[in-house]
Amino acid sequence: KAGVTQTPRYLIKTRGQQVTLSCSPISGHRSVSWYQQTPGQGLQFLFEYFSETQRNKGNFPGRFSGRQFSNSRSEMNVSTLELGDSALYLCASSLSGAGSGANVLTFGAGSRLTVL
Amino acid sequence: GNSVTQMEGPVTLSEEAFLTINCTYTATGYPSLFWYVQYPGEGLQLLLKATKADDKGSNKGFEATYRKETTSFHLEKGSVQVSDSAVYFCALSNSGGSNYKLTFGKGTLLTVNP
Repeated sequence: KAGVTQTPRYLIKTRGQQVTLSCSPISGHRSVSWYQQTPGQGLQFLFEYFSETQRNKGNFPGRFSGRQFSNSRSEMNVSTLELGDSALYLCASSLSGAGSGANVLTFGAGSRLTVL
Repeated sequence: GNSVTQMEGPVTLSEEAFLTINCTYTATGYPSLFWYVQYPGEGLQLLLKATKADDKGSNKGFEATYRKETTSFHLEKGSVQVSDSAVYFCALSNSGGSNYKLTFGKGTLLTVNP
């Protein structure tokens, strides 16, 4: 059974650019969530999607956005990149979302973004 | 709101030593509790979980017991190996809630020396 696939694994951007990250969930999983990991702030929740609907969003500026497609694949976009956006972005999938019964989130390997 | 506090370390042990990583939480209702592990250059892997009070999660020699009275979920292992070197995260989710997210502790870096 294939795991959660994130692309690209590494990327370097400059300030002001935008970036799109992709996440393919485990087959059959309809919930996809995104987390930002930095040394200073740790793991912070960005947003969660289920059946193409955003059900929750973390405390991030509007430059951070996401979407989910009908096949459950998800993308997140960061516009007007800032140095502080440098981080590991982790995607996780589950059947119906964290907190739903005993749902367990399965994480991908992450996309490491460096902003210069 | 929800929060998780865990000892930040770093923790350095010799092989075969006993490990404890403390984790306490604040949450409304009855959360589910998790320990995730992150090896260098990788994403998070679920290590163990517990969904109700007094449940004990266990996996690969690691154990943690959901203690509602002390709002704790401490991770233990009787004899660590070099291969256990990683960052360990305690996390919770609200069961039956509608926020659909995990709240994580800051993580504890464990280094095991041969």
